[in-house]
Amino acid sequence: DSGVTQTPKHLITATGQRVTLRCSPRSGDLSVYWYQQSLDQGLQFLIHYYNGEERAKGNILERFSAQQFPDLHSELNLSSLELGDSALYFCASSVEGAMTGELFFGEGSRLTVL
Amino acid sequence: SQKIEQNSEALNIQEGKTATLTCNYTNYSPAYLQWYRQDPGRGPVFLLLIRENEKEKRKERLKVTFDTTLKQSLFHITASQPADSATYLCALSLYQAGTALIFGKGTTLSVSS
Repeated sequence: DSGVTQTPKHLITATGQRVTLRCSPRSGDLSVYWYQQSLDQGLQFLIHYYNGEERAKGNILERFSAQQFPDLHSELNLSSLELGDSALYFCASSVEGAMTGELFFGEGSRLTVL
Repeated sequence: SQKIEQNSEALNIQEGKTATLTCNYTNYSPAYLQWYRQDPGRGPVFLLLIRENEKEKRKERLKVTFDTTLKQSLFHITASQPADSATYLCALSLYQAGTALIFGKGTTLSVSS
C-alpha cells in the first residue's frame, strides 16, 4: 500500500460527459502528480502541483483541468470526454517539489468512455 | 527529438537466470534515472534510483547501471523468480524546472519455472 488513495477505481461514462477523479496523497507529501496511461502511449505526464500551486504542465488537454486543495488532496477534471480519453489515470505523490526522489503511485482510476 | 526506449518486446527467461533490461535515451540530460515495477492494473512501484554521477547501484537481487556517455541504463535481476514477472519502467528526472518524471513504455518480463 503506497498510501496514495484514488477514487473512483472504475468509471464508465459516455462521450461528451464530464468526470472528476480524486487523489489523496501520502501523509506529509506536498507534491501531487497526474499521469495518464494508455496501452499505446505508456505513462504520460499531465500536471504537477506542489502545496497548492501548479508547478509543471505536460501533455494535458485544454478539456482537462486539475487543482490541489488546502488539505493537499487533488482533483483532475475531464470534460467533453472522447473515446480516446479512455485510459488509466494515476496520481502520484512525493515529499518535495523537485524531482529528486521516488514517486508513490496510487492504484489508478480506470476511465472508460463509451 | 527526445526519446526513451526500452526493449519493446517481452523478455522471457527461466527461473534462476539473470534478467537484463535496457533503457536508452536520446536528447535528454537526466539528473537521475529511476526504475519502477508495474503489475497489471496496478500503480508503478519504485525500485531504484541512480544519479548521473553514479555508475552502479544495488539492492538485494537488483542492480542498475547508468552510462551517461552511452545514454543507457541496464537493469539486472539476478536469480530471477516467477514473482519477478511484471512490467519494468525506466524514468528520467531532468535538471530543468517545470518538468516531471518522464517514463519509458516499459519492458514486460516473464519468468517461467
